[in-house]
Formats: sequence, structure tokens, C-alpha cells
Amino acid sequence: AQTVTQSQPEMSVQEAETVTLSCTYDTSESDYYLFWYKQPPSRQMILVIRQEAYKQQNATENRFSVNFQKAAKSFSLKISDSQLGDAAMYFCALNNAGNMLTFGGGTRLMVKP
Amino acid sequence: KAGVTQTPRYLIKTRGQQVTLSCSPISGHRSVSWYQQTPGQGLQFLFEYFSETQRNKGNFPGRFSGRQFSNSRSEMNVSTLELGDSALYLCASSSDIVASPLHFGNGTRLTVT
Repeated sequence: AQTVTQSQPEMSVQEAETVTLSCTYDTSESDYYLFWYKQPPSRQMILVIRQEAYKQQNATENRFSVNFQKAAKSFSLKISDSQLGDAAMYFCALNNAGNMLTFGGGTRLMVKP
Repeated sequence: KAGVTQTPRYLIKTRGQQVTLSCSPISGHRSVSWYQQTPGQGLQFLFEYFSETQRNKGNFPGRFSGRQFSNSRSEMNVSTLELGDSALYLCASSSDIVASPLHFGNGTRLTVT
């Protein structure tokens, strides 16, 4: 069975600053995918970024980037130039079987003006 | 393209009743999966349907069931409701591509009294 752990229940960042959210996972598979999803108060889960495990290069999407350490089974999300609209719950997720995602417990990100 | 649509947005039911939730995927998406989100257990995978067939199933009792129609719309049914079934139920759709990102709806908030 796979597990995903987010050790930071809450994080806060000053607007325009950088913040890093942590995620570790465990799986016996060698081929898998990792995701970060954002859930604002509207409840809709929104894909932030995706990483294929076979790719060495860290994924980047505008102000969002990941630090993927396969050997350490670590997948952190860095948000640069934080904006008020980034405030939300962030979930790390692992996919190695069809469309079954295993989610972490989430990190609530607060952005201070 | 219209997003994933879930109806209703809110439901209040009594213990012992049954409930049916509906999900319309993004046009062209044939995979629909369901997740339960609670403060205590977090996000948990219920099941996934692809081309009207259940492809994956999570660890939930048989009271939770689903189906998918030929137009890819999906329904989830919970029979003999228990207080612990109170949760946000999220539906997600995706294309056929392996580990393509899930696109989530806004969810149905079910309250069991």
C-alpha cells in the first residue's frame, strides 16, 4: 500500500515571499506520478503541478516548482512571490494505479498581506 | 469546455435513508472517480468507473455503490446512511491517458442527522 505524508498542518507566508510545503511518500512501485492540488474555500480541487517519477527534471509551472528527490521519496512544493490568492489547502497526491490517487493530509497555507 | 458538474451541492439526510449523488464529467472524459473528504480521514478514494465498468474500488463498505452511464455521467449511491457518512463527496474526471490529471467538481456536501 502507498502512503503520503504532509508533516505541516499549517504554514504561513508573507505576500511576495517564498514558501515550501513538504511531502513524503512511500510506494513499492518504480513508475508513478506525483501531484500537488490546491483546494480553496470554494472546495474545488485544482491541479497545481505534476511530476512523473521517471523524469529527473523538477517540474515548474510559473511561480510553482517542485523539488523531487526520488531516493528520499520526497516531493516538496515551492511557491515563489506568494499572492493572497494562493491561500488554500494544499494536498500532495500519489498515483500509481489507474486514476486512484492517494492523498496526504493537507497543509493549510495562509498568506499575510 | 464545461468543467465537472456535481449535483446537488448540499444534501441533508437522516440516518437510515439512502442518497444518490450525480456527476457529469468534462466532455470527452470517460473516467470518473469518486472521493470522500472528511476532517478525520482526509481524502479517500471510493471507486473509479471507465466506460461504464468499475475499474478500481477503494476500501469502503458495500453500502457505497456507483454506476456510470453510456454518456459517462456517473452516480454514487449510499444506502442505510450513518452519521459517519457526513462528508464532502468529490467527483473527478480524466481522459484515457495514463495518469492524466484529475479534474474535480465542486463536490456535494452531505450531512447525515
